[in-house]
Amino acid sequence: AQSVAQPEDQVNVAEGNPLTVKCTYSVSGNPYLFWYVQYPNRGLQFLLKYITGDNLVKGSYGFEAEFNKSQTSFHLKKPSALVSDSALYFCAVRGGSQGNLIFGKGTKLSVKP
Amino acid sequence: GAGVSQSPSNKVTEKGKDVELRCDPISGHTALYWYRQSLGQGLEFLIYFQGNSAPDKSGLPSDRFSAERTGGSVSTLTIQRTQQEDSAVYLCASSPRVNYGYTFGSGTRLTVV
Repeated sequence: AQSVAQPEDQVNVAEGNPLTVKCTYSVSGNPYLFWYVQYPNRGLQFLLKYITGDNLVKGSYGFEAEFNKSQTSFHLKKPSALVSDSALYFCAVRGGSQGNLIFGKGTKLSVKP
Repeated sequence: GAGVSQSPSNKVTEKGKDVELRCDPISGHTALYWYRQSLGQGLEFLIYFQGNSAPDKSGLPSDRFSAERTGGSVSTLTIQRTQQEDSAVYLCASSPRVNYGYTFGSGTRLTVV
């Protein structure tokens, strides 16, 4: 069965420093991977996806993610964190054949000034 | 509309009552998904509609839960004989096709007292 794991419940970063939010996956076949962000009291917003092609995927708000097949990882990164990046981040993998996504439990990112 | 609309935004109901949650997806989006977000539990897939195909109901937690989608557009999630453990935020999402990013609604916060 397809699954994703987000090993960190919370990540703390100082503003201006690079950030990484980790995600590992388990799939049979080619992985279709996604990142979403949820700001407080808001719905989830799509950040980026990997379907095929370049291992480094660029998305919204300056975020990028690196697909690593050998390590089965899809970590979310940003070179310089902003306080406004503080939110809940979800990694997801396509589950069933019809395309529903399976989400990780989420990682709370806290960026301090 | 411009986004996915869910109503009501908040619902408080007594244990044992039935509730209906509504989702109005983005016009033209053929895929519609329902998820449940409980505190500390991440997003739990409930049900998925794709065009005129039979829905994927594999995520529904019990036979008290059902959903329908009329005319390929609006969807209603019904929970019968609500229990306290049904308290959660119910999220609806739509997408134009498989492997495309979802657009989520703001959710319905259900509280069963």
